[in-house]
Amino acid sequence: SAVISQKPSRDICQRGTSLTIQCQVDSQVTMMFWYRQQPGQSLTLIATANQGSEATYESGFVIDKFPISRPNLTFSTLTVSNMSPEDSSIYLCSVSGGQDEKLFFGSGTQLSVL
Amino acid sequence: RKEVEQDPGPFNVPEGATVAFNCTYSNSASQSFFWYRQDCRKEPKLLMSVYSSGNEDGRFTAQLNRASQYISLLIRDSKLSDSATYLCVVSLNSGYSTLTFGKGTMLLVSP
Repeated sequence: SAVISQKPSRDICQRGTSLTIQCQVDSQVTMMFWYRQQPGQSLTLIATANQGSEATYESGFVIDKFPISRPNLTFSTLTVSNMSPEDSSIYLCSVSGGQDEKLFFGSGTQLSVL
Repeated sequence: RKEVEQDPGPFNVPEGATVAFNCTYSNSASQSFFWYRQDCRKEPKLLMSVYSSGNEDGRFTAQLNRASQYISLLIRDSKLSDSATYLCVVSLNSGYSTLTFGKGTMLLVSP
């Protein structure tokens, strides 16, 4: 399994500001994903980070709010823009485990917006 | 009806007990099934895949019932370290965007 480093592990931010979360993988991976886990809720896919092209966003998520970069096969960033308290959540980077849709996750970023 | 439903628990069991969780799914076209484990304030980690014939990994047994559209996880001889939230995940096998996570079932194993 891949080793995934995600940072920051947690942050407390003021509303209206932006936070960029970084995800570094110890090996080249084709598919990287960003998930959100709101309190008491299930994991929800935000977008698939594509290397060399724009990210693919799921319904309810837009690029202006969650811009994503994927400059190479080992790194990606997710920015949470113009934050509000509703953005308080755990954000998780993940990579595919092969052909059978298994996922490996980073340690997550606990975001609190005041 | 929610796509993937789990009893949130918590299930409180003593060490050594056997405990079972069920997870129901609404889409009969679902093809792949998984159980993940998530410790408090940690990321989810794959526990096991669930195959049509059922599968066992040590103290853990997973089964699939397509007719009734549910999967189950059985834990035998519970350990304190089994305390965690167990997430059910279902997929249509049409790409990672079709993975649907349940909210999880919390298990607390006490001495």
